[in-house]
Amino acid sequence: AQSVTQLDSQVPVFEEAPVELRCNYSSSVSVYLFWYVQYPNQGLQLLLKYLSGSTLVKGINGFEAEFNKSQTSFHLRKPSVHISDTAEYFCAVSRGSGGYQKVTFGTGTKLQVIP
Amino acid sequence: EPEVTQTPSHQVTQMGQEVILRCVPISNHLYFYWYRQILGQKVEFLVSFYNNEISEKSEIFDDQFSVERPDGSNFTLKIRSTKLEDSAMYFCASRRGEGNSPLHFGNGTRLTVT
Repeated sequence: AQSVTQLDSQVPVFEEAPVELRCNYSSSVSVYLFWYVQYPNQGLQLLLKYLSGSTLVKGINGFEAEFNKSQTSFHLRKPSVHISDTAEYFCAVSRGSGGYQKVTFGTGTKLQVIP
Repeated sequence: EPEVTQTPSHQVTQMGQEVILRCVPISNHLYFYWYRQILGQKVEFLVSFYNNEISEKSEIFDDQFSVERPDGSNFTLKIRSTKLEDSAMYFCASRRGEGNSPLHFGNGTRLTVT
């Protein structure tokens, strides 16, 4: 079975400061990793994904994440946050084969950007 | 860019009533999913659907739930006899096919059971 742990339920950060949202996963097989963002009263939007290759993945809105296999982590970072980044962020994992494989989500981290 | 669309955006129903949540996945996608998110909690997998049958379902997806793809475009989730604890945001998602293709989500249907 696969699982995702997001240790921080809420992260307050001042505008223009850097932020890191932590994600650790566990799986007995190779995985694909994703970050999704949910703005208030909206659905889930894909921020970025790691499938293979370079461990540093760049996504939309200036976010990036680094896959670390030895630490089983996929932390999300942004060097300078904006008020509009206030949202909930979900780390997710999918097994590496089979199109119907379900995606398992973490519990989410609420990013609050303070003016 | 093509989107997954869900209707209605908000559904209020009385306990014990049947409810059908509707979704139109992206047209060239092959795999379809329902997830739900109880207010303030994590996004939970309900069911995956491929080739006109259920591929996998969670413990939440009991006999009160069913899914159907009645035509080439719609994908529905039916709850036969709603309970208070079914109140949640229900998200439909689809993916193209490969294991590495990401899920595309709709904006959800907020179901309120009174």
